[in-house]
Amino acid sequence: DQQVKQNSPSLSVQEGRISILNCDYTNSMFDYFLWYKKYPAEGPTFLISISSIKDKNEDGRFTVFLNKSAKHLSLHIVPSQPGDSAVYFCAASATYNQGGKLIFGQGTELSVKP
Amino acid sequence: NAGVTQTPKFRILKIGQSMTLQCAQDMNHNYMYWYRQDPGMGLKLIYYSVGAGITDKGEVPNGYNVSRSTTEDFPLRLELAAPSQTSVYFCATGGLENIQYFGAGTRLSVL
Repeated sequence: DQQVKQNSPSLSVQEGRISILNCDYTNSMFDYFLWYKKYPAEGPTFLISISSIKDKNEDGRFTVFLNKSAKHLSLHIVPSQPGDSAVYFCAASATYNQGGKLIFGQGTELSVKP
Repeated sequence: NAGVTQTPKFRILKIGQSMTLQCAQDMNHNYMYWYRQDPGMGLKLIYYSVGAGITDKGEVPNGYNVSRSTTEDFPLRLELAAPSQTSVYFCATGGLENIQYFGAGTRLSVL
């Protein structure tokens, strides 16, 4: 049972436009959500996170929105740049989980074209 | 400050061979994790540790073993390699927040 889902395997966007990456989850106990970015032949790197007490968190060009009632979060990148081309993973955790375990989605490959 | 270091970067094994994937961290984090990533899939948790001497199974532990004798090191052992263990393996650490920091990965092929 996939508790965290990214239903779009890939997304192509023009440079300068907005990229919107989506993520859905099923476990209502999740209360902390993260986005990771992964380049080929490298490990995932932390990008931005949001706690369930918030519905929005911004960091420069990156904004994460959380809709708890819909169990949905999204990552907005504005403006998109060619260097943003990578695989993006959303992840979720619950504070009751011993060890801070994360559940990852399948990833969305973003391609930003010049 | 190297962060999380994984060795080797690549390895080819024959079916039935054994090997140890090494993971070392200098971040002084208590939590450490091993994941595998298969093509088109997310990261699946194999084992994790909340501190030296304490380990527990994740989502896909079969065919693997771990130990945690020090805060810095968290090796992953494959005893009898099988083709289904062909994957990219990532080690990660976690501190007080739920943010995890990953190594560069070990790409393993079992033929």
